[in-house]
Amino acid sequence: QKEVEQDPGPLSVPEGAIVSLNCTYSNSAFQYFMWYRQYSRKGPELLMYTYSSGNKEDGRFTAQVDKSSKYISLFIRDSQPSDSATYLCAMKEVTGGSEKLVFGKGTKLTVNP
Amino acid sequence: EAQVTQNPRYLITVTGKKLTVTCSQNMNHEYMSWYRQDPGLGLRQIYYSMNVEVTDKGDVPEGYKVSRKEKRNFPLILESPSPNQTSLYFCASSLPPQLGGTQYFGPGTRLTVL
Repeated sequence: QKEVEQDPGPLSVPEGAIVSLNCTYSNSAFQYFMWYRQYSRKGPELLMYTYSSGNKEDGRFTAQVDKSSKYISLFIRDSQPSDSATYLCAMKEVTGGSEKLVFGKGTKLTVNP
Repeated sequence: EAQVTQNPRYLITVTGKKLTVTCSQNMNHEYMSWYRQDPGLGLRQIYYSMNVEVTDKGDVPEGYKVSRKEKRNFPLILESPSPNQTSLYFCASSLPPQLGGTQYFGPGTRLTVL
């Protein structure tokens, strides 16, 4: 089993829809969970950063982490065409003086006007 | 403006010709990393640095070298590039995890090795 699994999509939704993006992972030592958005020909930009299980909300974006199920989600409410991008989940393990960061392969989202 | 800069943005070279991709950040971040992004494989960490003179291997370090002689710069060195190093490369800097860990990516360097 890969350390981080993410459905690559593509995912196409109408404007205003609620979008659900998900990742599963196998390494129970991951402590930090992140979602990045990457527009075409650009570097990833951090959307959400969480440390523990539970929900974190920022505007139209909600990140959920369920450590017991090794499952994280990103919800986008009232999706907009400007949300069209590739979304990457990422997980980090920090032990002593080293860290391990693993990305999912990304889900390509298109929001149609 | 807080930013991570990379140079060059595009590079076409030939097998075996040493090259360096520079990375610089103006946010006084201790953590810096290099990634490569390939279709179907996603974003993979090459090397990272937790502070000046402290570097460690990521998932795919073979064929790459890094140095961190000063806090703001973290160059990626390909001593003898090969075609399988053709990729899109990103540099990133961040605060330590215990301080939030927000990570900033550079604009990317598209490298082609012939």
